Amino acid sequence: DIQMTQSPSTLSASVGDRVSITCRASQSVTTWLAWYQQKPGKAPKLLIYKASTLERGVPSRFSGNGSGTEFTLTVDSLQPDDFATYYCQEYNNFSTWTFGQGTRVEIK
Amino acid sequence: DVQLVESGGGLVQPGGSLRLSCAASGFSLSTYRMNWVRQAPGRGLEWVSYIGTSSSAAYYADSVKGRFTISRDAAKNSLYLQMNSLRVDDTAIYFCARVGPQLWLPPNDLWGQGTLVSVSS
Repeated sequence: DIQMTQSPSTLSASVGDRVSITCRASQSVTTWLAWYQQKPGKAPKLLIYKASTLERGVPSRFSGNGSGTEFTLTVDSLQPDDFATYYCQEYNNFSTWTFGQGTRVEIK
Repeated sequence: DVQLVESGGGLVQPGGSLRLSCAASGFSLSTYRMNWVRQAPGRGLEWVSYIGTSSSAAYYADSVKGRFTISRDAAKNSLYLQMNSLRVDDTAIYFCARVGPQLWLPPNDLWGQGTLVSVSS
């Protein structure tokens, strides 16, 4: 099974900062990689799919890149609404949909 | 409104069974692939099960294989998760999520609000 490892587990940042989260796969998932944002008590929200495609309605300050085994989610100019937990998820062969363990972005 | 609404959660003893439902409105669930995802209290997201549009393709996480069964009913525009032999570590909020019917479409673009399953004696 594919393992997904996110880093860091927690990230402290200020409004206006540029932040990046890394997701590494234990084997290649080509570009079948999605990113989600989750706030406490809420369902996850899709941000990015196919590694770099921005979901409709998601602000352009969010971007994703990478392929194979290493991926990055970047938020340019962090906004107050962006403090949340972020998850990556692989869907390489559609028979497993493994999530990373999550990265909590907190206010510094 | 386009939405998914889960139901069927509750408190059950270890070894018991529950059937979760996920009702779709505003779109035809039969044209979409679907996932169940769960989240234990204070923990991260865990994929549970996937079903294709034809129901012939159904996949499960190792942690639930042989105990859970995913299914769908086009007439009721609903998705189900039959959970048997429940264990304490199955305690979680269970979400259903919609997956685009073609590979290039977004995965898990619509989620329900979740239903809580508590397994305890």
